[in-house]
Amino acid sequence: DTAVSQTPKYLVTQMGNDKSIKCEQNLGHDTMYWYKQDSKKFLKIMFSYNNKELIINETVPNRFSPKSPDKAHLNLHINSLELGDSAVYFCASSQVGRENTGELFFGEGSRLTVL
Amino acid sequence: DQQVKQNSPSLSVQEGRISILNCDYTNSMFDYFLWYKKYPAEGPTFLISISSIKDKNEDGRFTVFLNKSAKHLSLHIVPSQPGDSAVYFCADAGGTSYGKLTFGQGTILTVHP
Repeated sequence: DTAVSQTPKYLVTQMGNDKSIKCEQNLGHDTMYWYKQDSKKFLKIMFSYNNKELIINETVPNRFSPKSPDKAHLNLHINSLELGDSAVYFCASSQVGRENTGELFFGEGSRLTVL
Repeated sequence: DQQVKQNSPSLSVQEGRISILNCDYTNSMFDYFLWYKKYPAEGPTFLISISSIKDKNEDGRFTVFLNKSAKHLSLHIVPSQPGDSAVYFCADAGGTSYGKLTFGQGTILTVHP
């Protein structure tokens, strides 16, 4: 059983297109995230949702729109793709609370290549 | 702004020896840090953490040391095994309640048989 699963794993598309990456977690966590790993290998947070409510939005261009239909799903839609959007996008989840250890559970990543 | 730096992009170690991975940080709100391990084509997985009330945390072959005055932490793996070969990220948990982690750029560890 995959705890955090994201699809597709690989995505190759042309500049200007719109694409989506889906994420689902079966851990019963109430918080989900999107992280981006760029060409310099840094992992940076993009968004965080807690119980379907947007909590963190790290100055990401508004071409990126996360959507959380329920607390087990957090999808990422990207409009008008640009070359600089090429990266690996990781979905993650955690259970936030007083006992929060900061531990995130990550999906396998979705490698987006914009040509 | 919180910053986390791993200044060694790579480390090569012989099986059975000790691996020491280093991490420096600035502007941490609560001095709570985590180490993640990442294999190719997989997501990062949690390895070990340390909070500011401790200067050391041990879990089997893995020990993390925190030096708050030097703003430095290190991960020791002993004895190193070939299966430990992976990218290791340190992360500042930032003290927020919503899991925002600030990651370093990672160190590629290669353990030779």
